[in-house]
Amino acid sequence: ETGVTQTPRHLVMGMTNKKSLKCEQHLGHNAMYWYKQSAKKPLELMFVYSLEERVENNSVPSRFSPECPNSSHLFLHLHTLQPEDSALYLCASSQEGPWSGGAADTQYFGPGTRLTVL
Amino acid sequence: GQNIDQPTEMTATEGAIVQINCTYQTSGFNGLFWYQQHAGEAPTFLSYNVLDGLEEKGRFSSFLSRSKGYSYLLLKELQMKDSASYLCACMDSNYQLIWGAGTKLIIKP
Repeated sequence: ETGVTQTPRHLVMGMTNKKSLKCEQHLGHNAMYWYKQSAKKPLELMFVYSLEERVENNSVPSRFSPECPNSSHLFLHLHTLQPEDSALYLCASSQEGPWSGGAADTQYFGPGTRLTVL
Repeated sequence: GQNIDQPTEMTATEGAIVQINCTYQTSGFNGLFWYQQHAGEAPTFLSYNVLDGLEEKGRFSSFLSRSKGYSYLLLKELQMKDSASYLCACMDSNYQLIWGAGTKLIIKP
């Protein structure tokens, strides 16, 4: 495996379900990110981890819970979601910790998980 | 507030040239990124500009004018596979990325 992988690629869940999204990066990077992408809207940064420590949480509802057990893996735990949470959830990684500046902040993305909440 | 503006959709013809513009208003500036995203796929990195001028990479070039808060992505010799969304993202003074909503480029034969 190379780059950034995400599983599952598609997920349909009810509002009372609990599920988890998984991201794995094979680039030896130090920072990982969760984004939400809705149609015709800018990417919304949800969480940032640098060297396994959370450094940013952009006021995301508590029904989204991230976990970063090591620098290669990132999870997003989901529970009691709402239909408006339906979106593409993208994971990304960058070489240096976030906000180090310059090209080292270039983020490499996984293919995303298409989430539908019924 | 901080803002990135880019056209929602553009159409061009195979073999032609297209320019996708991006204007930004941010608190400070630490570089601008362009990404390509095919439908249902990951955004992929195209270019990074931090100094004024034109950077060329094969058929794709990216231009930056910091004084005007303006960038463009130039695609030459368009191919059908260039049909995708193109995302502009600007890094502010806190090194946070501010994203545009993306420009959907449709290539016609």
